[in-house]
Amino acid sequence: ETGVTQSPTHLIKTRGQQVTLRCSSQSGHNTVSWYQQALGQGPQFIFQYYREEENGRGNFPPRFSGLQFPNYSSELNVNALELDDSALYLCASSLGTVTQETQYFGPGTRLLVL
Amino acid sequence: ILNVEQSPQSLHVQEGDSTNFTCSFPSSNFYALHWYRWETAKSPEALFVMTLNGDEKKKGRISATLNTKEGYSYLYIKGSQPEDSATYLCACVFGNEKLTFGTGTRLTIIP
Repeated sequence: ETGVTQSPTHLIKTRGQQVTLRCSSQSGHNTVSWYQQALGQGPQFIFQYYREEENGRGNFPPRFSGLQFPNYSSELNVNALELDDSALYLCASSLGTVTQETQYFGPGTRLLVL
Repeated sequence: ILNVEQSPQSLHVQEGDSTNFTCSFPSSNFYALHWYRWETAKSPEALFVMTLNGDEKKKGRISATLNTKEGYSYLYIKGSQPEDSATYLCACVFGNEKLTFGTGTRLTIIP
């Protein structure tokens, strides 16, 4: 296993609610990236955090936000949940932001929005 | 929009046979390509990161090649074993953008 953990493993929410997903990075990794994988799709990049600052964002609305903490754990927050937010959410940690660095993924949080 | 395509979408291979599958990508502004192996209910596991045209990498029975001029990478598995059953994901980096993933090739090894 990669040493990257995510919680919770599964979550059910209703439309309009807010959700917080958590990720604990591999020790020493200062960069975390979040991805959304909808059914039948590849993972889509949401955003990346490097040393507690956002460092790049994919095509996701502002209701998707994040935080990275000094211990390099991180959160993904989604406000005003929509049915289409139902997906597997993956985090990945790496040493540095250069994207030829190997990324170490967690097992994901599966979110269902009803 | 920069599309990363993987083919086939799925395949079944007899144990002991060798197999390969493809990742195709636009060659302009290419920076790096990653291969991941993803078993059900586990984390995606990094296999290779490749950047240079003509790169070849090997890890046990799995190897990969990269052609950046024509925009493709092949992943080869020699002598397939049941534990090779997984989804194999390809992801590319273009310019300063982050990883763009394909939809994966789901490999099932038949004992």
